[in-house]
Amino acid sequence: NAGVTQTPKFRILKIGQSMTLQCTQDMNHNYMYWYRQDPGMGLKLIYYSVGAGITDKGEVPNGYNVSRSTTEDFPLRLELAAPSQTSVYFCASRTGTDEQFFGPGTRLTVL
Amino acid sequence: QKEVEQNSGPLSVPEGAIASLNCTYSDRGSQSFFWYRQYSGKSPELIMFIYSNGDKEDGRFTAQLNKASQYVSLLIRDSQPSDSATYLCAVKSTNAGGTSYGKLTFGQGTILTVHP
Repeated sequence: NAGVTQTPKFRILKIGQSMTLQCTQDMNHNYMYWYRQDPGMGLKLIYYSVGAGITDKGEVPNGYNVSRSTTEDFPLRLELAAPSQTSVYFCASRTGTDEQFFGPGTRLTVL
Repeated sequence: QKEVEQNSGPLSVPEGAIASLNCTYSDRGSQSFFWYRQYSGKSPELIMFIYSNGDKEDGRFTAQLNKASQYVSLLIRDSQPSDSATYLCAVKSTNAGGTSYGKLTFGQGTILTVHP
């Protein structure tokens, strides 16, 4: 089992560009989450999904979009990147006992 | 806005000492509480969870929960330099209808340094 994988590991975007952060899990978990972590801060929930075709907003959804067409994949789309979106992005999936497994993260810089 | 607050750090303890990490939460309806460890540049990993009032022990780690005081703590006994990391407290939050979908609200983290 690879667990939760994320690509890319690092990315630099220019203001106004768009990109998709990929997240895949091979544990057959229904629940998946996207978080962002700013320096010296905890994680803030961007979007979450309870299964294929079902997504909902978290605490900080503005500037992002998600889709969930399969159980395995939960991509996060950034439209019109802004410097405020410079952060480390973590994808996670959840077991039936509430434990969330995190991917290795994507470090994004918007210049 | 549901909040989770952790004691400000950084916290520095000598090797072999007890490290005490504290967390308070604002949502009185919260039922599940988690401690994650995050090494620098890495992703968080779960080290403890607790659902009931009282203590829960796992090796050198003890989680303590007091729902009346809305307080959860993590004690690390016989601290080792390998315990040096950021510790994140997380609370499973609920929406207005009382469902959670497993969503977690994280504190800002406490940096722990264990020096030889």
